Amino acid sequence: EAGVAQSPRYKIIEKRQSVAFWCNPISGHATLYWYQQILGQGPKLLIQFQNNGVVDDSQLPKDRFSAERLKGVDSTLKIQPAKLEDSAVYLCASSLDRLGLGNQPQHFGDGTRLSIL
Amino acid sequence: SQKIEQNSEALNIQEGKTATLTCNYTNYSPAYLQWYRQDPGRGPVFLLLIRENEKEKRKERLKVTFDTTLKQSLFHITASQPADSATYLCALVVPRGNTPLVFGKGTRLSVIA
Repeated sequence: EAGVAQSPRYKIIEKRQSVAFWCNPISGHATLYWYQQILGQGPKLLIQFQNNGVVDDSQLPKDRFSAERLKGVDSTLKIQPAKLEDSAVYLCASSLDRLGLGNQPQHFGDGTRLSIL
Repeated sequence: SQKIEQNSEALNIQEGKTATLTCNYTNYSPAYLQWYRQDPGRGPVFLLLIRENEKEKRKERLKVTFDTTLKQSLFHITASQPADSATYLCALVVPRGNTPLVFGKGTRLSVIA
């Protein structure tokens, strides 16, 4: 099966600019996650979707970050305006978990590496 | 406060030995615990999941234990090989908790030939 696809692979922008990331999960996976991974840290969950509804976004900085998952498939994550501390790898993952129990493996894409100048 | 800690940032072992990685947590009541492998420049890859009522899980050369009394999980790689060199992440799953999914910082394992 095809894995989780993310684009772009790399992005360099200046602070205060906006940026968007795209994720295409594995076909049939109900749950989609966006993570932020700062160098030397583990991934930090930003938002979790189940189909096209939000399950958890408690750690999403909502003043600058937004995410959507239209039609319960693809998803986009946007940052506007970007700050220096947003430099990180943004990972998307999907799983078969239909009940939000976390009892299914997550399949990760290779992420988008964002650098803020 | 809630914390998840992996025993060390880096672990070096000789090829053929057993690598043991530790994941400790405080003030969480996870229903599941997952282990992932991450190579440089790549996303994490799922290895094993263990439930709170399971003591041990095995998959080929991998074994994970889960002690909810000690609030600790141990991850073992037996007969380690240089190809096992990577960063290993543990993740707690707390369904419907304030932070439902929490990853540790990871342990970077180097297996020396």
